[in-house]
Amino acid sequence: GDSVTQMEGPVTLSEEAFLTINCTYTATGYPSLFWYVQYPGEGLQLLLKATKADDKGSNKGFEATYRKETTSFHLEKGSVQVSDSAVYFCALSMNTGFQKLVFGTGTRLLVSP
Amino acid sequence: DVKVTQSSRYLVKRTGEKVFLECVQDMDHENMFWYRQDPGLGLRLIYFSYDVKMKEKGDIPEGYSVSREKKERFSLILESASTSQTSMYLCASSIMGTAHEQYFGPGTRLTVT
Repeated sequence: GDSVTQMEGPVTLSEEAFLTINCTYTATGYPSLFWYVQYPGEGLQLLLKATKADDKGSNKGFEATYRKETTSFHLEKGSVQVSDSAVYFCALSMNTGFQKLVFGTGTRLLVSP
Repeated sequence: DVKVTQSSRYLVKRTGEKVFLECVQDMDHENMFWYRQDPGLGLRLIYFSYDVKMKEKGDIPEGYSVSREKKERFSLILESASTSQTSMYLCASSIMGTAHEQYFGPGTRLTVT
């Protein structure tokens, strides 16, 4: 079935460091791809999305590019802040039928001052 | 802003008890979802509903049932709670046709002793 694989955490960085969180997917067709973020004590929020190959999603300084050739959607940020500490989930949705989300296992990011 | 609320943030129940988890959304969304979130497993879909009184099984429906009598409310029911159902439960909603853009509640951490 369709699935998403994320790098295991936690990822520990100092403030202003560069962030990459890897995400790869397996799907029978061409899915849409998403990053959701869960701040401490809160539910998940949609961070960014990309619906077709080579699309770049971006929001709040985060970016991810849909790479069909490598089936990847890695999350990047040039300079992280303490407030970015959260759990990040990569997810996919097929573009047919009900479009349910399939989530990865999540990657915890810890940013220290 | 879309608001999804869950009846309790923390809940402690005994094995064999019947447990009700309530979720309410205020944006007239057609779709509603129940997930459980476990470390190392990410989010797994239990049940979803795309209309009042309609329900569909997700990936792990065993031991759970749901009820959707009104559009804004989606209840998760554990008929006879077991320790294996100790988890964080997340409710989400989305508008029709965009099941992948979901709005999440803050979660209910259920402990079954």
